[in-house]
Amino acid sequence: EIVMTQSPATLSVSPGERATVSCRASQSVSSNLAWYQQKPGQAPRLLIYGASTRATGIPARFSGSGSGTEFTLTISSLQSEDFAVYYCQQYKNWPPESTFGQGTKVEIK
Amino acid sequence: EVQLLESGGGLVLPGGSLRLSCGASGFTFSSYAMSWVRQAPGKGLEWVSGMSGTGGSTYYADSVKGRFTISRDNSKNTVYLQMNSLRAEDTAVYYCAKALRSFDWLPSDYWGQGTLVTVSS
Repeated sequence: EIVMTQSPATLSVSPGERATVSCRASQSVSSNLAWYQQKPGQAPRLLIYGASTRATGIPARFSGSGSGTEFTLTISSLQSEDFAVYYCQQYKNWPPESTFGQGTKVEIK
Repeated sequence: EVQLLESGGGLVLPGGSLRLSCGASGFTFSSYAMSWVRQAPGKGLEWVSGMSGTGGSTYYADSVKGRFTISRDNSKNTVYLQMNSLRAEDTAVYYCAKALRSFDWLPSDYWGQGTLVTVSS
């Protein structure tokens, strides 16, 4: 099983500042990497797939980069609605397989 | 508008069974793989099972293999998760999720609101 490790576990950021979340895979996942945002009591929301493609309706302040084993989610200027937990997910489509990182909580500093 | 609505969660005894349902609307259901993903209280996400759009292919996480069965009825736009031999560690919110693209299983772009399954005596 591919293990996904996110860092940091918690990130304290002031509104308007940049936030960077890292995700490392235990082996190469190519560009099969997605990022999700989850707010309390809500389902996850797809932000990024293919490591760097924004999903429909996702603001341009969210960007993803990386390939192989090292990935980054950047939020260029944090808005109040961006404070949430962020998860990375590696995926393979055949045979289907997926594992998530443990999550990074982005909180208000 | 894509909508996914899960139902069927509840409290069940260890060793018991439960069947979850997820009704879908707003897209051509039979064209998309569907997945079940769970989240234990206060914990992260775990992909549990997936099924192709036609229903011809299924896949399970090792943690549920042999105990859970995914199925779908494309005439009713509904995907199911039959859960048998439930354990305390199966306690979680269960989400159904739609594949982003019709030719892939993952990732998932739309998720339901989730249904809580509690396994406890």
